[in-house]
Amino acid sequence: DARVTQTPRHKVTEMGQEVTMRCQPILGHNTVFWYRQTMMQGLELLAYFRNRAPLDDSGMPKDRFSAEMPDATLATLKIQPSEPRDSAVYFCASGLGGDRVAGANVLTFGAGSRLTVL
Amino acid sequence: GNSVTQMEGPVTLSEEAFLTINCTYTATGYPSLFWYVQYPGEGLQLLLKATKADDKGSNKGFEATYRKETTSFHLEKGSVQVSDSAVYFCALSVKVTFSGGYNKLIFGAGTRLAVHP
Repeated sequence: DARVTQTPRHKVTEMGQEVTMRCQPILGHNTVFWYRQTMMQGLELLAYFRNRAPLDDSGMPKDRFSAEMPDATLATLKIQPSEPRDSAVYFCASGLGGDRVAGANVLTFGAGSRLTVL
Repeated sequence: GNSVTQMEGPVTLSEEAFLTINCTYTATGYPSLFWYVQYPGEGLQLLLKATKADDKGSNKGFEATYRKETTSFHLEKGSVQVSDSAVYFCALSVKVTFSGGYNKLIFGAGTRLAVHP
């Protein structure tokens, strides 16, 4: 089965440190989403990429978060500096974009990166 | 605005019991509706979907019918198993018109299901 691969699975760091989370989307998928999951807020959309271009990052705190896709096989989410309130599970998901594409809106999620900022 | 409301969990059932997890939504236009499931330690997986009113999505014994008149998409299963224990998320897809346009998934808070032998 094709799957979305995320690393690291778990990360514990101290406040102020830089954190980078990586995602390998499914080969052939042209959209990538980053979600954050917390008990209080549930699943929040942070960023959306299509064909490697960042099209919507309105859900992301711009002062400390950044998201990039250096190539079609890698998406990154960076937090610098990290804060305790960033503690959450971060999910990457990929899919096929476009209304007329069969399977549009069906996302495949990775297993998530659990971040703890002390 | 667009939102999804799910019944609060946890829902605790005995094996072979009937399951209903309620989901209602508010949306402009005609969204597609989804149920995703998250097993412990894993990411979300699509369980079923419906793209228009009166459609019924079904998979692995689970069913949900898109009810436009009641803006609902309740998840049901006739006989649950211990292996169904997971968190279930209702979601809707809305069209975002800026940034070239794309379909954005909006999730409910999730409902935890625990099935005991």
